[in-house]
Parts: sequence; C-alpha cells; structure tokens
Amino acid sequence: EIVLTQSPGTLSLSPGERATLSCRASQTVSINYLAWYQQRPGQAPRLLTYGASSRATGIPDRFSVSGSGTDFTLTISRLEPEDFAVYYCQQYGSSPRYTFGQGTQLEIK
Amino acid sequence: QVQLQESGPGLVKPSETLSLTCAVSGGSISSANWWSWVRQPPGKGLEWIGEIFVGGRTNYNPSLASRVTISLDMSKNQFSLRLTSVTTADTAVYYCARHLAVPGTRGFDVWGQGTTVTVS
Repeated sequence: EIVLTQSPGTLSLSPGERATLSCRASQTVSINYLAWYQQRPGQAPRLLTYGASSRATGIPDRFSVSGSGTDFTLTISRLEPEDFAVYYCQQYGSSPRYTFGQGTQLEIK
Repeated sequence: QVQLQESGPGLVKPSETLSLTCAVSGGSISSANWWSWVRQPPGKGLEWIGEIFVGGRTNYNPSLASRVTISLDMSKNQFSLRLTSVTTADTAVYYCARHLAVPGTRGFDVWGQGTTVTVS
C-alpha cells in the first residue's frame, strides 16, 4: 500500500500570503495519478487539481501543483478567505487503488 | 451537470448490513467509466471503499473487501454500496463520487453531498 503523508498538519497563514502544502508518498507515484482536494467544513471534498498541471473546472489559477517521484506540492499563490479549509492529496496505484493523505488544515492566522 | 445524491438509513445496528444508494441526475451514469464510494469517520480523513465500472467490474479496498459489495443499475441511473457486519468503526459520512473521464489521469470530479451513517 502506498502511504501518503501530508505536512504540515496545520498551517496558519493570513489572507494574501502564499501557502505551500506537501504530500510525500512511501513509494514512487506518477504525478499523472496524483490529485488534490479541498474540503470545507460540512461539505464534500472538491477536486482542485489532477495530473501534472490540470486544474478542475472553476478552480482559479492561484492553485498550482508540482513535484515528482515521492514528493509533491500544492501551492496557493495568494490566499483568499475562502481558501481556508482542509486539503487532501490522493494517489492512484496498486492495492488499494486509491489512498488519501491525512490532510492539512489551512487556518487563518 | 451531473449531480450525485446518496440515500439510505442513517442508523444501523452493529452486526447488521449498511446499504446506500447513489442516484445520478443531470446526466447518464455512462457519462463516466468508473464510480466510487468514499467514507470519512467523524473528525478524520478520507478512506476509499471501492469502485465500479459501468460494465460491472469492481475493485475494493482490501481492508474492507470481505464485507463490501458495490453494484450498479443502469436502468435506474444509480449505483449502490452494501457493507455487512458493521461495527461502530463503520460510523462515518459516506460519499459517492464520479471518476474523471480524462485519459491518463485519475481523480474524482463530482461528489455527492454525503450521508451520515451511525452504527449504534
């Protein structure tokens, strides 16, 4: 099983700042098979990015992804108030076919 | 656009069977090849339960495989989850989700709002 470890667990920033969220895999993952989600309280997860550089429909360009191998990063260039939420990375691979990281809580400082 | 809606009992007794349905509206269930169930225990992260292909093939999380069945009914435009011998550890919000139809990538682009199931 590929384990995804996200860091930090909690990130405290102010609106307008840049956020860098990390996702580390226990084995090599193709970035084509990596996705990031945002989950606001009481809501379902929302797909943000998938693959090497694709944003889901309606996701602003302040969200970007990078990385390869076992280390991946979600960057939010300038935080807006609505960006404060929990973020999950997800990989597709061997059994189980999908696993999620444990999440990073992005909170307002 | 496609929307998903989970439905089923909110309370299930220990040792009994949890059954949920995901209704697909605004489009056909054949709009995507794969559909999944994901759950989230209270205050915790996301766990993938399993997936079904529109042709009927399934894949399950090994941690749940002995208790899980996912099925699909194209005539009703819905798919279902069955989890047997539930315990309090199965208490969670259960989500259904549609897989991206972009070749060479993976992700779940449409999610239901989730339904809370309590085992007690």
